[in-house]
Amino acid sequence: EAQVTQNPRYLITVTGKKLTVTCSQNMNHEYMSWYRQDPGLGLRQIYYSMNVEVTDKGDVPEGYKVSRKEKRNFPLILESPSPNQTSLYFCASSLSPDRGRGYTFGSGTRLTVV
Amino acid sequence: DAKTTQPPSMDCAEGRAANLPCNHSTISGNEYVYWYRQIHSQGPQYIIHGLKNNETNEMASLIITEDRKSSTLILPHATLRDTAVYYCIVRGLTGTASKLTFGTGTRLQVTL
Repeated sequence: EAQVTQNPRYLITVTGKKLTVTCSQNMNHEYMSWYRQDPGLGLRQIYYSMNVEVTDKGDVPEGYKVSRKEKRNFPLILESPSPNQTSLYFCASSLSPDRGRGYTFGSGTRLTVV
Repeated sequence: DAKTTQPPSMDCAEGRAANLPCNHSTISGNEYVYWYRQIHSQGPQYIIHGLKNNETNEMASLIITEDRKSSTLILPHATLRDTAVYYCIVRGLTGTASKLTFGTGTRLQVTL
């Protein structure tokens, strides 16, 4: 089944403890992206990647890192999480957004930083 | 990307057509209209997109006015499972326009 898989689905962590949220897609998509969703603020883009080894900042990149060493994987790294990063996170991928293709989203990761 | 305006909420009886409007009066010639929906806190789901012609797929139909300043998403026979927040998004296709900018959407409630 074609899908975007995020892990974990739920995570509670403490301030300052490094964590990684994984994202993997099995559709050979070139484009991948991370979003966070907060009440009243909607979905906001954190980082995106147009292809392997090509990443760029979205609207809210502070406090996050990403890497794209392989086409299928696009992990989101929080080096020193803080409570304001408590949010619902979504990974998305697309075959070719420049040709108008739709995005496939993962099921989400609910992160709580205490 | 052009800004969109959607009603915050709508109701629809099950089995009836749901018509969700979207205004995008500042849309430019190379910008597409996309529709996504989000059921509860699941990941957004792509529904349909179009440039200027009307489009139809297995999920919905998209009607774009001739001047492209507004569009309507039509769910022909709404079911309870169509209850969701529906997002109308306008975006170009070049460079950093690959980003999807989500607004607040329309919360569609389908009732028995």
